[in-house]
Amino acid sequence: EEQLVESGGDLVQPGGSLRLSCVVSGFIFSNYWMSWVRQSPGRGLEWVANIKQDGTEKHYVDSVKGRFTISRDNGMNALYLHMNSLRVDDTALYYCTSHQLGIGTSWGRGTLVTVSS
Amino acid sequence: QSVLTQPPSASGFPGQRVTISCSGSNSNIGNNYISWYQQLPGTAPKLLIYRNDQRPSGVPDRFSGSKSGVSASLAISGLRSEDEADYYCVSWDDRLSGYVFGTGTEVTAL
Repeated sequence: EEQLVESGGDLVQPGGSLRLSCVVSGFIFSNYWMSWVRQSPGRGLEWVANIKQDGTEKHYVDSVKGRFTISRDNGMNALYLHMNSLRVDDTALYYCTSHQLGIGTSWGRGTLVTVSS
Repeated sequence: QSVLTQPPSASGFPGQRVTISCSGSNSNIGNNYISWYQQLPGTAPKLLIYRNDQRPSGVPDRFSGSKSGVSASLAISGLRSEDEADYYCVSWDDRLSGYVFGTGTEVTAL
């Protein structure tokens, strides 16, 4: 069974930093693109970033470019999202998702990031 | 950056067919695959349709997808109460070099 487990969400002040992690099991992690998708409270889904199988290609939504960095460790079956200069509008539930059949094939339960003073 | 437009709500009586539209442009739907997700309250999204019209194993054939030009549709045949959820479309956008989600549609069984 495919499992994705996110962690690292927390309450942080504006301007602060966090690192989200996602540990994967049940499929060959190194074979697939991976993405982070977020959902603000009561709002829709927003794609944040994705990363190629070997980490050589990455893409970001404009609102996080220069502040967030996606990375992966295929030996540890882990996906990361390094978040700097956090803003109030980054408050959301952050999901890790895999791309076996395209984006969003499998999802974790999410980890909550709250940016507030 | 929701550049894919969906109706905010859709409804039907149990057993009826409900259709949800997703409208985009040549840089996304017109030139790339579309996927659809179902999000039940308080849960993570679930993949319903990929590559425009393909169903993952385990997804009932009551759910079907189609694409024409810069628009796509998700149809739910034989609506059930357990289908009450939010539904989202998504596509890669060549101009933005990123994925764009639809605005989401809340489906209600009357």
